[in-house]
Amino acid sequence: KQEVTQIPAALSVPEGENLVLNCSFTDSAIYNLQWFRQDPGKGLTSLLLIQSSQREQTSGRLNASLDKSSGRSTLYIAASQPGDSATYLCAVRPGNYGQNFVFGPGTRLSVLP
Amino acid sequence: DGGITQSPKYLFRKEGQNVTLSCEQNLNHDAMYWYRQDPGQGLRLIYYSQIVNDFQKGDIAEGYSVSREKKESFPLTVTSAQKNPTAFYLCASSESGDTGKQFFGPGTRLTVL
Repeated sequence: KQEVTQIPAALSVPEGENLVLNCSFTDSAIYNLQWFRQDPGKGLTSLLLIQSSQREQTSGRLNASLDKSSGRSTLYIAASQPGDSATYLCAVRPGNYGQNFVFGPGTRLSVLP
Repeated sequence: DGGITQSPKYLFRKEGQNVTLSCEQNLNHDAMYWYRQDPGQGLRLIYYSQIVNDFQKGDIAEGYSVSREKKESFPLTVTSAQKNPTAFYLCASSESGDTGKQFFGPGTRLTVL
């Protein structure tokens, strides 16, 4: 059964720092991986989706990479801002299309002004 | 604007009552999902539907019921059989085809009095 973990559970950084959030999954046979942002009391907002055939995706200051063989994905945030403070979750879709997403517990990020 | 709406935003239930959470989408997605989120935990799948008039149990379906009579709508009923229903409930839908990207509604917070 696919399991997804995210380390660290929480992270505080000063404004302007570059940072990396980690996502690990136990079964490398995935269809795709999606990174989300969640603000307190809100729904999830999709940030980036990486297909299993891709190595990375970029959107603005965000870059997500995928290494299926090692079961890892990283979300890189450049020049962090206080507005980046949120919980970041990753979710994998197992390789048999039609199976449902498996979510990690999230990393709570605080960017201090 | 295309998206997913959930109502109500906050819901209070007395012991022994059934309550229904609404989820509507105008993204023309075939697949819809209900998740439960508890503090410090990842999202857990309650029910999902890949097509109208069909739905499947997720990991924690006991005490919940759903219907999918229209493509746009996927209401969730929390029954009195659900022993610990206080949680944040999220509805989602996903694209079909190669991306399978998932989109979320703003959530409903249910509190048992």
